[in-house]
Amino acid sequence: ETAVFQTPNYHVTQVGNEVSFNCKQTLGHDTMYWYKQDSKKLLKIMFSYNNKQLIVNETVPRRFSPQSSDKAHLNLRIKSVEPEDSAVYLCASSLQVSNERLFFGHGTKLSVL
Amino acid sequence: DAKTTQPDSMESTEGETVHLPCSHATISGNEYIYWYRQVPLQGPEYVTHGLQQNTTNSMAFLAIASDRKSSTLILTHVSLRDAAVYHCILIEGGYQNFYFGKGTSLTVIP
Repeated sequence: ETAVFQTPNYHVTQVGNEVSFNCKQTLGHDTMYWYKQDSKKLLKIMFSYNNKQLIVNETVPRRFSPQSSDKAHLNLRIKSVEPEDSAVYLCASSLQVSNERLFFGHGTKLSVL
Repeated sequence: DAKTTQPDSMESTEGETVHLPCSHATISGNEYIYWYRQVPLQGPEYVTHGLQQNTTNSMAFLAIASDRKSSTLILTHVSLRDAAVYHCILIEGGYQNFYFGKGTSLTVIP
């Protein structure tokens, strides 16, 4: 049963365009995450938000930015996409920042031509 | 690179019990053993986790070797819904980068 909703499922775009991915969780969790999953199945954390406060920001390029209106929503914007941005982007949430269990969305597959 | 080793694939029949092995010989003292599963076009789903003691929940039983260098995920009365790729991963100090690896693709035969 899905409780972390991502849109869109797929997105194809060209280099230099701006894209936005949406994520909403209905679990009442305090923490949300964005991960990038590459072709080798590595999940690399991009951002995590705890009650709208950015608490983890790994060394992601500046063209990536998280956007949150409340603790149930965490969107991801890419200002000018590059070919290496092609990947599956997974949104997740957890009850607390230190909670062990993550709930994932279905993912958004981005293809940059 | 993954710190865990799993068989590429396993097969079971509905209603049977299946044992999914995972080797993690270089596990450190603070690393937890997590199991997630993933089906195509969906995000990973949490199954269970443990540190040292065996654990059980509604989804599975996790048996951890006394030296912690290996673990086994045990699924009882498997159904078609249990068909997925099962990933054994090690996590320390919260969710940072972690490597799912290829995992074990479990096929369930009706």
